[in-house]
Amino acid sequence: AQSVTQLDSHVSVSEGTPVLLRCNYSSSYSPSLFWYVQHPNKGLQLLLKYTSAATLVKGINGFEAEFKKSETSFHLTKPSAHMSDAAEYFCVVTSNYGGATNKLIFGTGTLLAVQP
Amino acid sequence: DTGVSQDPRHKITKRGQNVTFRCDPISEHNRLYWYRQTLGQGPEFLTYFQNEAQLEKSRLLSDRFSAERPKGSFSTLEIQRTEQGDSAMYLCASAKLSDNNNEQFFGPGTRLTVL
Repeated sequence: AQSVTQLDSHVSVSEGTPVLLRCNYSSSYSPSLFWYVQHPNKGLQLLLKYTSAATLVKGINGFEAEFKKSETSFHLTKPSAHMSDAAEYFCVVTSNYGGATNKLIFGTGTLLAVQP
Repeated sequence: DTGVSQDPRHKITKRGQNVTFRCDPISEHNRLYWYRQTLGQGPEFLTYFQNEAQLEKSRLLSDRFSAERPKGSFSTLEIQRTEQGDSAMYLCASAKLSDNNNEQFFGPGTRLTVL
């Protein structure tokens, strides 16, 4: 069975300060991990993905995440928050197991607020 | 626009009515997924098609729900005898079978409100 746990349902930061959104995963097989962002009234957009290559993954808009197998974590970070980063962020896991449907398993989401 | 499209974007219906949603995937994508997202939650997997074959259905997909992808291109999701608990955002995503990175591209969703 696979699952992800997003440790914070809400995170609030000031513009220009670092962002840390925490995610722990559980997977019986070698996982693929993703972060998606959802702005109000817009579709889900892929920020970045880990698929067993480099453990430090760089994504769009200055975001990055580090895959740590020993900690079963895949936290999302950004050095400096921008007002436009305010949105809901989802940590997602799927399996690389052969023949799998690769359905995505989403966390419950972290709502990021950015204060001016 | 060559992204995933969904129609309608919003649907309001009365309890007991039937509704049908459509998803048009990215043209070369042979994998198609349906997800449901309720307020304050992450999307949950409903069903998966590889070309025209429906290969997996979630336990969330009760017998009131049916999905088709008759020609391996667009897909429809029908809900019969809608209930208030069906109110949610219904998301469609598509992916390439050959893409080992499992990246799925999402449409904007259809928001269903059952009165």
